[in-house]
Amino acid sequence: AQSVTQLGSHVSVSEGALVLLRCNYSSSVPPYLFWYVQYPNQGLQLLLKYTSAATLVKGINGFEAEFKKSETSFHLTKPSAHMSDAAEYFCAVSDNTDKLIFGTGTRLQVFP
Amino acid sequence: GAGVSQSPSNKVTEKGKDVELRCDPISGHTALYWYRQSLGQGLEFLIYFQGNSAPDKSGLPSDRFSAERTGGSVSTLTIQRTQQEDSAVYLCASSSSLVASNEQFFGPGTRLTVL
Repeated sequence: AQSVTQLGSHVSVSEGALVLLRCNYSSSVPPYLFWYVQYPNQGLQLLLKYTSAATLVKGINGFEAEFKKSETSFHLTKPSAHMSDAAEYFCAVSDNTDKLIFGTGTRLQVFP
Repeated sequence: GAGVSQSPSNKVTEKGKDVELRCDPISGHTALYWYRQSLGQGLEFLIYFQGNSAPDKSGLPSDRFSAERTGGSVSTLTIQRTQQEDSAVYLCASSSSLVASNEQFFGPGTRLTVL
C-alpha cells in the first residue's frame, strides 16, 4: 500500500529564509509524486510533480523538489521565503491506480 | 473561468437530511475525482470516474455515500442521512485522462456542516 508522511505539521520561517518541507513516501512501484499548495479558502494548486524524468524538479513560484529513491524522499525547498508563500502544502503519491494519496499537510508560516 | 467549479460553496444541513454536491469539471476532461478534507482525516480519496463509469469506489466511507456522472461531464456526490462526522470540505478534481502522472485540477470545494 502506498503512503506519504509529511514531517512537521507546522513550519515557521522568516521572510528571506530557506523553506524546507519534508515528504517521505512508501510505494511498491515507481511512484509519481506531487506537491500541491492550498491557500486559505482556495482549492489545491499543483506546485510540481515527479514522473521519473529528472530527479530535480522545478515548479512554480521558485519551489523545487528532489526525488531521492535511496531515501524515499521528495522534500520541497525554496531558497528564499516570501510572505505570499504562507499556505498549506501537501505531498501526494500516485501509482497506477491514478488516485492521489495525500500526506497530512504542512502549514507554512512566514514571518517578516 | 475555465476551471473546476463546485456548488454550493457552503452547505449547512441537519443530521439525517440528504445532501447533493455538484462538480463541473474542466471541459473535455474525462477523469473526475472526489476527495474529502477534514480535520481528523486529512485529504481522503473517495471515488473517481473515467467517463461515466466509476471503476474504484473503495474510498466511499459508507453506503450512505454515492456518486454519479452523466454525459461524461457533471458529477453529483450524494450523502444520505447525513451524520455529524460527514462535516468536511468535499473537493472535486478533474484530469485530461486517467493517467497517473497527469495533473489533477481541483475545484474550490464545498464546505459541508452537519448540525
